[in-house]
Amino acid sequence: NAGVTQTPKFQVLKTGQSMTLQCAQDMNHEYMSWYRQDPGMGLRLIHYSVGAGITDQGEVPNGYNVSRSTTEDFPLRLLSAAPSQTSVYFCASSFRGHQPQHFGDGTRLSIL
Amino acid sequence: DAKTTQPNSMESNEEEPVHLPCNHSTISGTDYIHWYRQLPSQGPEYVIHGLTSNVNNRMASLAIAEDRKSSTLILHRATLRDAAVYYCILREFDAGNNRKLIWGLGTSLAVNP
Repeated sequence: NAGVTQTPKFQVLKTGQSMTLQCAQDMNHEYMSWYRQDPGMGLRLIHYSVGAGITDQGEVPNGYNVSRSTTEDFPLRLLSAAPSQTSVYFCASSFRGHQPQHFGDGTRLSIL
Repeated sequence: DAKTTQPNSMESNEEEPVHLPCNHSTISGTDYIHWYRQLPSQGPEYVIHGLTSNVNNRMASLAIAEDRKSSTLILHRATLRDAAVYYCILREFDAGNNRKLIWGLGTSLAVNP
């Protein structure tokens, strides 16, 4: 049982490049979410999904897209990377929205 | 959005109890109080949650004030592995009636041997 798996663990991009951060869970959880964490700060919600085919915006959605075609996968796409998007990104899942979330180990993203 | 207030940092000695406070004076009646912790270079880890009554699990206890405007996470015997940032979080409803977590800055707990 792998839990929540995020790939890649580290990535360096140039300004303007696009990329997709992958997140997969094998616990049949309906609720999945993406957060970013900047130095010395708590987590900020980017996007979330309450089930396959359903997504919604969090606090800081600009510059990011998501889709949820399957229960297991919830990729986060950076459309045109900017230095302000340098951060650690965490994916999380839970069986239902009100239940405790399981987090991945994070993707450390640097944009030059 | 309801917010939580926690001390920036606290210190404890190994094998002593630790009481981590959290104020949430604007909490609404349906907001759950969640606690997570984050060890260095790791993702957050669920600790405990509650609504009105005190809660216990294998990791910690959660004491909730009668007016629900504050709560305290209790680690009964701190170990070096408990050194982490502890987040007190409210789980709120969004416009679509889905619950989401609102994260604060947390308390950085240092445990002395």
